[in-house]
Amino acid sequence: AQSVTQLDSQVPVFEEAPVELRCNYSSSVSVYLFWYVQYPNQGLQLLLKYLSGSTLVKGINGFEAEFNKSQTSFHLRKPSVHISDTAEYFCAVSEGGGSNYKLTFGKGTLLTVNP
Amino acid sequence: NAGVTQTPKFRILKIGQSMTLQCTQDMNHNYMYWYRQDPGMGLKLIYYSVGAGITDKGEVPNGYNVSRSTTEDFPLRLELAAPSQTSVYFCASNGGLAVPMVDFGPGTRLTVT
Repeated sequence: AQSVTQLDSQVPVFEEAPVELRCNYSSSVSVYLFWYVQYPNQGLQLLLKYLSGSTLVKGINGFEAEFNKSQTSFHLRKPSVHISDTAEYFCAVSEGGGSNYKLTFGKGTLLTVNP
Repeated sequence: NAGVTQTPKFRILKIGQSMTLQCTQDMNHNYMYWYRQDPGMGLKLIYYSVGAGITDKGEVPNGYNVSRSTTEDFPLRLELAAPSQTSVYFCASNGGLAVPMVDFGPGTRLTVT
């Protein structure tokens, strides 16, 4: 069975600082990987996805993530954060068609950007 | 496209009452899902469907039922509501191999008291 571990439950940073949100997964087969963002009292919005190909994936709002198969990681990065990036971020994994594209989520990382 | 829509947005139920959470998608997606979100726990899969007439249990199905009579609709039924079912419920859909990413609805916030 697949699982996802988000290593930090909360990450406070100052505005314009870089940030990395860490995600590790376990799976016995090839996977699809996703990062979703949830702003307060809203639904989930897809930030970026890795399906295949280049291991560096760029998403919306200046975020990017790197798939590292040997370390089973998919860390999310942004070089300079804004107050508006304050939100909860979820890493998710799907084992592809064989699992009917079901997503397994991490517990989330609350990113708080302070002025 | 409206995407995935859910009704109601909010609901308060008394213990023992029943209700149906509605979910509709207009993208002709075969795959649909119900997740619940509890603070600090991420999202957990309740039920899913791979097409009309086909449903299966997820990780936390107890206390819920689903049906899928059309491609567009995937309602979630709560029978005999319990305080443990207080949560935010998200419906989602997926286009499958062509677009293997999941689109989420806006959520239903349910409180059982």
